[in-house]
Amino acid sequence: GAGVSQTPSNKVTEKGKYVELRCDPISGHTALYWYRQSLGQGPEFLIYFQGTGAADDSGLPNDRFFAVRPEGSVSTLKIQRTERGDSAVYLCASSLGSGGQDTQYFGPGTRLTVL
Amino acid sequence: SQQGEEDPQALSIQEGENATMNCSYKTSINNLQWYRQNSGRGLVHLILIRSNEREKHSGRLRVTLDTSKKSSSLLITASRAADTASYFCATEFSGYALNFGKGTSLLVTP
Repeated sequence: GAGVSQTPSNKVTEKGKYVELRCDPISGHTALYWYRQSLGQGPEFLIYFQGTGAADDSGLPNDRFFAVRPEGSVSTLKIQRTERGDSAVYLCASSLGSGGQDTQYFGPGTRLTVL
Repeated sequence: SQQGEEDPQALSIQEGENATMNCSYKTSINNLQWYRQNSGRGLVHLILIRSNEREKHSGRLRVTLDTSKKSSSLLITASRAADTASYFCATEFSGYALNFGKGTSLLVTP
């Protein structure tokens, strides 16, 4: 079946602009995660959704970052007033259930470049 | 902050040789997972080992876990050029979030 998909695959924007990154999880997966991966680093946790609600958003770096999952499926990560330091690959993952015992399946990521 | 730390940072071997990567972490965990990331592609889950397990196999992969030393190792036997990738260990202790290390970059040459 289809895996996790993310759009766009690449996004170039100017400092100060607003961007939205979309994630389509695997059908039937209730848990959804966003991670951010900077060059030469491993992914860092941003936010976790169980269903429609954000169960843990402690990884979001500041209040310019916000994510939603209104119908418990597709999720959008929103970044306001982008800064050059926001440049990274944003990864989305989904898992069948909650809890760390379920494998998280990752999408290909969105590479964000802030000029 | 990164929870795990892989060693070595980079590894270069020839096809047919075995590759061993190590991971150390800081806090108690529920499980530890290994992922592979090819250049320009997403993370692919390789294997999960629970905190009460000591060794696990999957095809050419062998993972060990020593919770007393807070360390894990990933062994890839009879490596192939297609194994060239970055390998990450990820620990889970919160019930959902994965904490990744910086990864080991593996190069397998024909």
